[in-house]
Amino acid sequence: AQSVTQLDSHVSVSEGTPVLLRCNYSSSYSPSLFWYVQHPNKGLQLLLKYTSAATLVKGINGFEAEFKKSETSFHLTKPSAHMSDAAEYFCVVTRGLTGGGNKLTFGTGTQLKVEL
Amino acid sequence: DVKVTQSSRYLVKRTGEKVFLECVQDMDHENMFWYRQDPGLGLRLIYFSYDVKMKEKGDIPEGYSVSREKKERFSLILESASTNQTSMYLCASSPLGVTSGSTHGTQYFGPGTRLLVL
Repeated sequence: AQSVTQLDSHVSVSEGTPVLLRCNYSSSYSPSLFWYVQHPNKGLQLLLKYTSAATLVKGINGFEAEFKKSETSFHLTKPSAHMSDAAEYFCVVTRGLTGGGNKLTFGTGTQLKVEL
Repeated sequence: DVKVTQSSRYLVKRTGEKVFLECVQDMDHENMFWYRQDPGLGLRLIYFSYDVKMKEKGDIPEGYSVSREKKERFSLILESASTNQTSMYLCASSPLGVTSGSTHGTQYFGPGTRLLVL
């Protein structure tokens, strides 16, 4: 079964410093991996996705993630945090196709706090 | 833009009441999903539907049922609400599953319904 583990439930950074949100995955086959973001009182939004093309994936708002098969990791990074980045971030893996659906397995989330 | 709407942002119900949560999407998506979100647990799949009148249990279907009579609408039903069903409920939709391409794995989420069961 596919699963993801987000290693930190809370991360706090200062504005202008780098962001690192860690995610490890477990999969019996080559997975598709995603990061979703949830801003306060808003719906979840896709940030970026890896689908076996380039291992370094760029997303919206300056975020990127690198797929490392040897480390089974898909960490999310950003060179310089902005106050508007404060949100909850979810690492996600597809389960594969069952009944025509594209089901997702979500990690437990990392709350990012950005301080002045 | 894809739009997924949920009938209520906040809902307060009493134990034992029957509760209906409605979700509507406007992009003609085949797949629709219901999740609940709890702190420290992430999102957990309750039910999903890949076609009208078709449904499949997710990871935590106990105490819930669903209805999909029209392609654009997916309802979550709590037959007899209990306090442990107090949670944030999120609806999502996606195109029919494909193994690659721009829509692979992308789900579009509604804003959520925060349900409190007293």
